[in-house]
Amino acid sequence: DTEVTQTPKHLVMGMTNKKSLKCEQHMGHRAMYWYKQKAKKPPELMFVYSYEKLSINESVPSRFSPECPNSSLLNLHLHALQPEDSALYLCASSQVSSGYEQYFGPGTRLTVT
Amino acid sequence: TQLLEQSPQFLSIQEGENLTVYCNSSSVFSSLQWYRQEPGEGPVLLVTVVTGGEVKKLKRLTFQFGDARKDSSLHITAAQPGDTGLYLCAGARTGNQFYFGTGTSLTVIP
Repeated sequence: DTEVTQTPKHLVMGMTNKKSLKCEQHMGHRAMYWYKQKAKKPPELMFVYSYEKLSINESVPSRFSPECPNSSLLNLHLHALQPEDSALYLCASSQVSSGYEQYFGPGTRLTVT
Repeated sequence: TQLLEQSPQFLSIQEGENLTVYCNSSSVFSSLQWYRQEPGEGPVLLVTVVTGGEVKKLKRLTFQFGDARKDSSLHITAAQPGDTGLYLCAGARTGNQFYFGTGTSLTVIP
């Protein structure tokens, strides 16, 4: 099983709302990632968790708050977003050791109004 | 500055033609992955290459990793409309660092 699931598939939120994106994998991977992707551009790394601890934060604004409650789950809490934050948000997982590939979820299409 | 540069950025070809996409860097990677992504979906892993000079074939797709593990190519034979999508290479380094290429948007016209 190489499946990473993400919910919701689509999300529309106002700039004052608080919402959360969820990601789950059962491949035993101990590294999990959040990416942001604009149309026809490569994914941009936001956060990396390794063994449930935040290991990389690519200078992401504090209105995005990640959380890794256990080895299978990854959340991204959203608050006071801007319209330019509208994008496809992708979750991925991999083995922790170097050289292993990432597996991606289907993404959440976020629209901020 | 992008660590991995892909060329071409856009490619539009007729069904049945052959094509090659390049992924180049001045950095060494422990492995390199190729993904295909359709609009609104997540990238789907096509292949991982690990050894310098390695060649892998997946039906009509041939992947090569450069001898110095700095670059890679993807060759598609007899392209079909179902091959349409965004092709991404991604290099892996230590510390769970993955670096995506700039992407190649392929359109195969029936």
